[in-house]
Amino acid sequence: GQNIDQPTEMTATEGAIVQINCTYQTSGFNGLFWYQQHAGEAPTFLSYNVLDGLEEKGRFSSFLSRSKGYSYLLLKELQMKDSASYLCAVSGYSSASKIIFGSGTRLSIRP
Amino acid sequence: KAGVTQTPRYLIKTRGQQVTLSCSPISGHRSVSWYQQTPGQGLQFLFEYFSETQRNKGNFPGRFSGRQFSNSRSEMNVSTLELGDSALYLCASSLDRGSQETQYFGPGTRLLVL
Repeated sequence: GQNIDQPTEMTATEGAIVQINCTYQTSGFNGLFWYQQHAGEAPTFLSYNVLDGLEEKGRFSSFLSRSKGYSYLLLKELQMKDSASYLCAVSGYSSASKIIFGSGTRLSIRP
Repeated sequence: KAGVTQTPRYLIKTRGQQVTLSCSPISGHRSVSWYQQTPGQGLQFLFEYFSETQRNKGNFPGRFSGRQFSNSRSEMNVSTLELGDSALYLCASSLDRGSQETQYFGPGTRLLVL
């Protein structure tokens, strides 16, 4: 079967660091996406990891461990505008595969 | 470059009716995917179209159908609406087909079935 798990909700403080975890079990795996979705808006692309390791992009970093079926999104120097849902999505191993999304983690930033 | 557009943005229908939603992808993008998003289920994949052909389909009943035109615009149809079809319907386009492609989402159509 296919399963993607991420926490439903998280709270963090402005200026701090937060790590959002995602674990997956899929029949085929090519890479893992992270998307950000503000309330009432469309998801927007954050990162795509194919190889193991950490990829940094400004205040956001994404990590992947293929052997452990595990990824995390790290947000540094949190700002109020980072309050949003963060969606983890797994892409299959072939061009015929679908992208499977997790249910998302709703992150709230407090002053 | 204009983003993905979806029409209408909001829609209210009653049970038993049918509805058609439209999606215009980013210029040059040939793949269009449709998703249903509900608070309880998250983003659920409906189908993907590429070059006017359905390439992939999710686990939804046959009441959900779609098509893609030669200009890559896509439509999604839901017949015999049920209360449970109330959701945000998102369309996403990508340059090429394949799950490795980054998808760009439209603003969605919020459908309410009464």
